[in-house]
Amino acid sequence: NAGVTQTPKFQVLKTGQSMTLQCAQDMNHEYMSWYRQDPGMGLRLIHYSVGAGITDQGEVPNGYNVSRSTTEDFPLRLLSAAPSQTSVYFCASTPPGGPYTQYFGPGTRLTVL
Amino acid sequence: GNSVTQMEGPVTLSEEAFLTINCTYTATGYPSLFWYVQYPGEGLQLLLKATKADDKGSNKGFEATYRKETTSFHLEKGSVQVSDSAVYFCALMSGNTGNQFYFGTGTSLTVIP
Repeated sequence: NAGVTQTPKFQVLKTGQSMTLQCAQDMNHEYMSWYRQDPGMGLRLIHYSVGAGITDQGEVPNGYNVSRSTTEDFPLRLLSAAPSQTSVYFCASTPPGGPYTQYFGPGTRLTVL
Repeated sequence: GNSVTQMEGPVTLSEEAFLTINCTYTATGYPSLFWYVQYPGEGLQLLLKATKADDKGSNKGFEATYRKETTSFHLEKGSVQVSDSAVYFCALMSGNTGNQFYFGTGTSLTVIP
């Protein structure tokens, strides 16, 4: 198992550009989520999905879109990048049943100029 | 609502010193509690967890006890090593909120030889 993979590892964007952060998992987990990590803020939930075709907003969803067409993939789209979206982004997946544990990807470091 | 408060860092200790990182929570219902660790340049990894009151989670010499009466889940280790240098996150997962995770802001630990 590769676990949770994320691409790219690093990205620099200009204000107004759009891009997609990729996330994939090969563990057949239904629950997947996207977080952003900022200094002094911990991890904040952007969007999550409880299964293919089902997504919902987390704590900080503005400026981001997600879709979940397959169990494996959960891409995060930045529609029009802003400097406030400079952050480290983590994707995570959770197996069904309890007790629940999240498996994190290695992260994508995004800088918006 | 759900939230996690953990002691601010950074924390610097000498090798073999005793470690305590405080964590308190507010939650609806009966959450599961977790400690995650993040080594430099990596994603978060589960360190330990507890799913009900009075449970003790333990791993790699770290321990934390789920205290419902004080709504706490403090992380302890009797003798830290240089390799324990990392950022530690306390988190809760509440089934009442769609199994969403709530993270503290993280505590940076540096262990010096």
